[in-house]
Amino acid sequence: GAVVSQHPSWVICKSGTSVKIECRSLDFQATTMFWYRQFPKQSLMLMATSNEGSKATYEQGVEKDKFLINHASLPLSTLTVTSAHPEDSSFYICSASHRDNQPQHFGDGTRLSIL
Amino acid sequence: AQTVTQSQPEMSVQEAETVTLSCTYDTSESDYYLFWYKQPPSRQMILVIRQEAYKQQNATENRFSVNFQKAAKSFSLKISDSQLGDAAMYFCAYRSGSAASKLTFGTGTRLQVTL
Repeated sequence: GAVVSQHPSWVICKSGTSVKIECRSLDFQATTMFWYRQFPKQSLMLMATSNEGSKATYEQGVEKDKFLINHASLPLSTLTVTSAHPEDSSFYICSASHRDNQPQHFGDGTRLSIL
Repeated sequence: AQTVTQSQPEMSVQEAETVTLSCTYDTSESDYYLFWYKQPPSRQMILVIRQEAYKQQNATENRFSVNFQKAAKSFSLKISDSQLGDAAMYFCAYRSGSAASKLTFGTGTRLQVTL
């Protein structure tokens, strides 16, 4: 079946560092990718929708300058957490869909810990 | 806006028994999809089952089945012959039928499976 690759799986870094997370669809052309954030024991909250070749659409309350999303090519979307601080520590997970009536396939997620 | 409600934060079932997880949703749309995702401790998001709103027949995937009540906006998941490996967080999710739609998740139900 369709596979979405996300890496790194775990990042620990100092406050003030920028961290880039990659999400890649391996065997299908994902025109749309989604980035979610999940705090411990909570549900997934959509941060933004990433469309190939255009600007991402951010959900209300998500800082676009803080969470930079790039989707320059079909199979790859990146999320960069800029100048990360401890409150940015969370689990970030991407998903992709190649057809409107097909379910989204998720990456394995990235655990981000900011010291 | 669509909302998804899971009223059971935690459920427990004995091995080999049957358990039902509840989910209700609110929408004014007529074209949509409903999903159940499983998230084990590894935090992978695994699709368990999906239901198209236009289909009257309840979806079934091996030991997993749903009771889709469109008028009542209810979408419960039944797990039969529960196994230890079924222990996980279960999220109910809604997706609009329109193009490149995001998933809206419920708050999740933690399922414990006991011997």
